[in-house]
Amino acid sequence: GQQLNQSPQSMFIQEGEDVSMNCTSSSIFNTWLWYKQDPGEGPVLLIALYKAGELTSNGRLTAQFGITRKDSFLNISASIPSDVGIYFCAGQRHDKIIFGKGTRLHILP
Amino acid sequence: SAVISQKPSRDICQRGTSLTIQCQVDSQVTMMFWYRQQPGQSLTLIATANQGSEATYESGFVIDKFPISRPNLTFSTLTVSNMSPEDSSIYLCSVGVAPYNEQFFGPGTRLTVL
Repeated sequence: GQQLNQSPQSMFIQEGEDVSMNCTSSSIFNTWLWYKQDPGEGPVLLIALYKAGELTSNGRLTAQFGITRKDSFLNISASIPSDVGIYFCAGQRHDKIIFGKGTRLHILP
Repeated sequence: SAVISQKPSRDICQRGTSLTIQCQVDSQVTMMFWYRQQPGQSLTLIATANQGSEATYESGFVIDKFPISRPNLTFSTLTVSNMSPEDSSIYLCSVGVAPYNEQFFGPGTRLTVL
C-alpha cells in the first residue's frame, strides 16, 4: 500500500532550538496535513496545505507543500517545552488520509 | 473545525467480549472515520462511515469484527467484537470538514483486552 516516509523518527533538542522534519511519498497528494499528538490525546491539526509550493505559517510553525506534490516539511522555530510530542504528517487524496510514522520530539532540560 | 467527543475514554475488557465506542460531533458532518492506533504506532484507517450507507472497510478490517453504525450526521459507533489481547489499542474517530475535508480527531478510546 501507499506509505509516507517521515523523518527523523525522533529528535532530542535543547529548548530554543529550531526543529525541522519532513515527509516524502512516491504518490501525489492533493493536501498535506501536519498533526501533533500529546500523550492520551487525539491528533490535533496544526497546518493544512492545499497547493503545490504553498508555504504556510501558524505561529512558530511553518510548513510547505512540495512543488512535486510528493513531499512536505514542517519547521518549528525557537522550541519550547510544550512542543514535546509526536508530530505526524499526512497526505490526503480525495477523502482518504495516509499518515506518516511520526516524529517524536524531545526537549532536553 | 469540529468538536468531537468519544465514550468511553478508556476501558479494560475481558477476552471474548465486545465493546461499543461512541463518537459525537458538535455539527453535522457527512464523513466520519474510525482509526486504530496501536501503542507507539501511527494511525491506521479501519473504515469510513457515511450517513445513509454501509461503512467502507479498509483491507484487513471486516464488518463482523468491527461493525459500525451511522444513524445520523452527528453520531457514529464502532463495536470491537469478540475481543482478543491483540485488539488492545487506541480507537479514534475523526470527521472530515468541508470544503477541503481535512480531518479532525476525537480524543480516542484506550482499550485494553485481558
